[in-house]
Amino acid sequence: EAQVTQNPRYLITVTGKKLTVTCSQNMNHEYMSWYRQDPGLGLRQIYYSMNVEVTDKGDVPEGYKVSRKEKRNFPLILESPSPNQTSLYFCASSLGGGSYNSPLHFGNGTRLTVT
Amino acid sequence: AQSVTQLGSHVSVSEGALVLLRCNYSSSVPPYLFWYVQYPNQGLQLLLKYTTGATLVKGINGFEAEFKKSETSFHLTKPSAHMSDAAEYFCAVTGSGGSYIPTFGRGTSLIVHP
Repeated sequence: EAQVTQNPRYLITVTGKKLTVTCSQNMNHEYMSWYRQDPGLGLRQIYYSMNVEVTDKGDVPEGYKVSRKEKRNFPLILESPSPNQTSLYFCASSLGGGSYNSPLHFGNGTRLTVT
Repeated sequence: AQSVTQLGSHVSVSEGALVLLRCNYSSSVPPYLFWYVQYPNQGLQLLLKYTTGATLVKGINGFEAEFKKSETSFHLTKPSAHMSDAAEYFCAVTGSGGSYIPTFGRGTSLIVHP
């Protein structure tokens, strides 16, 4: 089954404790992206990747890191989480590139709470 | 630059009533437009998309949207709301300036009353 898999679904942590949220897709997609969703603010893009070893900042990259060493994986790293990073996070992928009509495929989300 | 405006953060309808969710976009070139739906505790999934050709696009679950270039709109409709339609709906655009990167509206929460 074609899918984007995020783990974990729920995560509670404390300020400053490094964490990684994993994202994997099995559709051979070139484009991958991370979003955070907050009430009243919609989806805001954190980082995106057009292909392996190519990553770029989105609208709200501060406090986050990503890597794209393999086509299928795009982990989100919070080196020193803070309470303002408490949010619902989504990973998404698509064919990307010149396929402008290619829709995004989303994972089921990771609800992160930082205390 | 491209942008998307969804009018109304919340829309409330009665079961059986018409659903109308509004989306206006700005784009320097003919856009590619999408509607996504997010059910509670789930990720977003594609409802429908407009690329080229027919301006009236049919999607899943009885939804449809009409691309109106003159009005720069892509409103989502459904003739008769069902309780199961209660969800968050997002409009998105891509393709402006030769960039794939999608731009999303802030979302509209559809509330369906019995």
